[in-house]
Amino acid sequence: NAGVTQTPKFQVLKTGQSMTLQCAQDMNHEYMSWYRQDPGMGLRLIHYSVGAGITDQGEVPNGYNVSRSTTEDFPLRLLSAAPSQTSVYFCASSFTYGTSGDQETQYFGPGTRLLVL
Amino acid sequence: SQQGEEDPQALSIQEGENATMNCSYKTSINNLQWYRQNSGRGLVHLILIRSNEREKHSGRLRVTLDTSKKSSSLLITASRAADTASYFCAVNQGAQKLVFGQGTRLTINP
Repeated sequence: NAGVTQTPKFQVLKTGQSMTLQCAQDMNHEYMSWYRQDPGMGLRLIHYSVGAGITDQGEVPNGYNVSRSTTEDFPLRLLSAAPSQTSVYFCASSFTYGTSGDQETQYFGPGTRLLVL
Repeated sequence: SQQGEEDPQALSIQEGENATMNCSYKTSINNLQWYRQNSGRGLVHLILIRSNEREKHSGRLRVTLDTSKKSSSLLITASRAADTASYFCAVNQGAQKLVFGQGTRLTINP
């Protein structure tokens, strides 16, 4: 298993440009999520998905879009990049359990470092 | 707002000593998870403890959960230089969201 893969590893954008961060997992996990991590900080949830065709907003969704057309893929789109979006982005996936869909152990990708000039 | 708040923010100890980190949260949880992050890398899962559990062990790691105090602790025994990392707790509040704290930076001095 490759686990959770993310591309690209590093990206430089100019303000106003758009791009898509790719995330894929091969563990058949229902739950996938995107986090951003700023220097010296914890992870903040951007968007998440509990299955194909279902997405929802996290703590900091503004400026980002997601879609989940397949179980394996969960791309994150930056619509119009801003310097405030300079960060490290992590994708994660997990199984869920129970009627409330609680997340089990999260498997993280290696991250994408994004610099917006 | 961050639900899992780690304490201390930074901890520096000598190799061989034990390290204890604490996590407090505000609302009821379904489970609480601890992760490690080496500098510049992704997060690695350590232990998941459910709300009906009080203690779990994994090798040199021991996690406790006190739901009455809304707190958890992570104990690393006989620390090694390789344990130098940031440690995060994440709380699962049952709203399909896993919320992370800001982490504890642990430094093990040789």
